[in-house]
Amino acid sequence: DAKTTQPTSMDCAEGRAANLPCNHSTISGNEYVYWYRQIHSQGPQYIIHGLKNNETNEMASLIITEDRKSSTLILPHATLRDTAVYYCIVPRNQAGTALIFGKGTTLSVSS
Amino acid sequence: DVKVTQSSRYLVKRTGEKVFLECVQDMDHENMFWYRQDPGLGLRLIYFSYDVKMKEKGDIPEGYSVSREKKERFSLILESASTNQTSMYLCASSSPGTSGRNEQFFGPGTRLTVL
Repeated sequence: DAKTTQPTSMDCAEGRAANLPCNHSTISGNEYVYWYRQIHSQGPQYIIHGLKNNETNEMASLIITEDRKSSTLILPHATLRDTAVYYCIVPRNQAGTALIFGKGTTLSVSS
Repeated sequence: DVKVTQSSRYLVKRTGEKVFLECVQDMDHENMFWYRQDPGLGLRLIYFSYDVKMKEKGDIPEGYSVSREKKERFSLILESASTNQTSMYLCASSSPGTSGRNEQFFGPGTRLTVL
């Protein structure tokens, strides 16, 4: 079973911040949270990952709550090209290599 | 540029045929994965491999087998294709990185239709 819960869909206006929530209440202390996205007709693409601290890279920011039971992916200035399905993922195995992709959140960015 | 390639973008087979889906990566990655993706079900892990000749079952291994004879190549085999195996098949590879970064790189996918 998937270990994460995400809203099915979200809308965002172009240029605004997109905040995508994820619940992972059963995450273990040493498990990372990963975010991927999949643009239509392409394979999934890695965005960011984190353990405890907030993380930022050139694509997005990841905010993880102190109890680690939930996180939020932030796209600070969404563009039309950010329209995609976003997956919040925790590993399937202890080695952290096999990921469980749930159904994700379909983000629609409109002008 | 890192690359994962899959042997076919589109494939049409008949029920009962033996089907081979090939995946090759040029990044010297230890880990390789096969997923299938269906509308409304998301990506589901079929099999994965940590090393040459090693394999582990994913969430939906029934009806599939895999082969990893060389590090760069991971094959998915449908011993006797059935119509319910019509799907998009995605291959991925990864290598253990620092700070938990097990980033998976995906191929373009093979859309298999079984008639």
